[in-house]
Amino acid sequence: NAGVTQTPKFQVLKTGQSMTLQCAQDMNHNSMYWYRQDPGMGLRLIYYSASEGTTDKGEVPNGYNVSRLNKREFSLRLESAAPSQTSVYFCASSETPGGTEAFFGQGTRLTVV
Amino acid sequence: QQQVKQSPQSLIVQKGGISIINCAYENTAFDYFPWYQQFPGKGPALLIAIRPDVSEKKEGRFTISFNKSAKQFSLHIMDSQPGDSATYFCAASANSGAGSYQLTFGKGTKLSVIP
Repeated sequence: NAGVTQTPKFQVLKTGQSMTLQCAQDMNHNSMYWYRQDPGMGLRLIYYSASEGTTDKGEVPNGYNVSRLNKREFSLRLESAAPSQTSVYFCASSETPGGTEAFFGQGTRLTVV
Repeated sequence: QQQVKQSPQSLIVQKGGISIINCAYENTAFDYFPWYQQFPGKGPALLIAIRPDVSEKKEGRFTISFNKSAKQFSLHIMDSQPGDSATYFCAASANSGAGSYQLTFGKGTKLSVIP
């Protein structure tokens, strides 16, 4: 069972470069999420997609864009990376929006130099 | 801004002891309170969850206690084991509108269980 798969697992970017983090889930879940995790800050929601075709901003959306490509895939794009975006990024999915278990991927460790 | 405040930031417990992690929230619209467990290098995984219509939920050695009037909930780990050493996150969510959903996490507690 793959669950939630994120690629890449590690990435180093130079300031100003762009990149897309990929996420795919095979559980037929409707809702998908992108979080960032920083030491002492917990998990903060960047963007989420309650269902295919919809996306909404979370707590820390600045500097990011997302695309819900289809029901399985939800990508996160950094247009012009900044050192403040150095973090561990987690994608998650859940069956329905609100009140159900969220399944997380293994994370992408991103360093911006 | 929706907030969930978690304490302590770190916790060291002897093997066999009880680990207690506390969380407090402000938004009375929250209606789902999960706890997630995260091991180093892994994504968080759901441990146990509760809804506000019950005051306690137990699953094995893990218990959530919920106090709706105080807007507080806590995780108790009985007979703590070295394998329980991980970071624990409390969280809360509210269905804030048609199809919308935000799961807000506490900042985490790093638990170390020493033999």
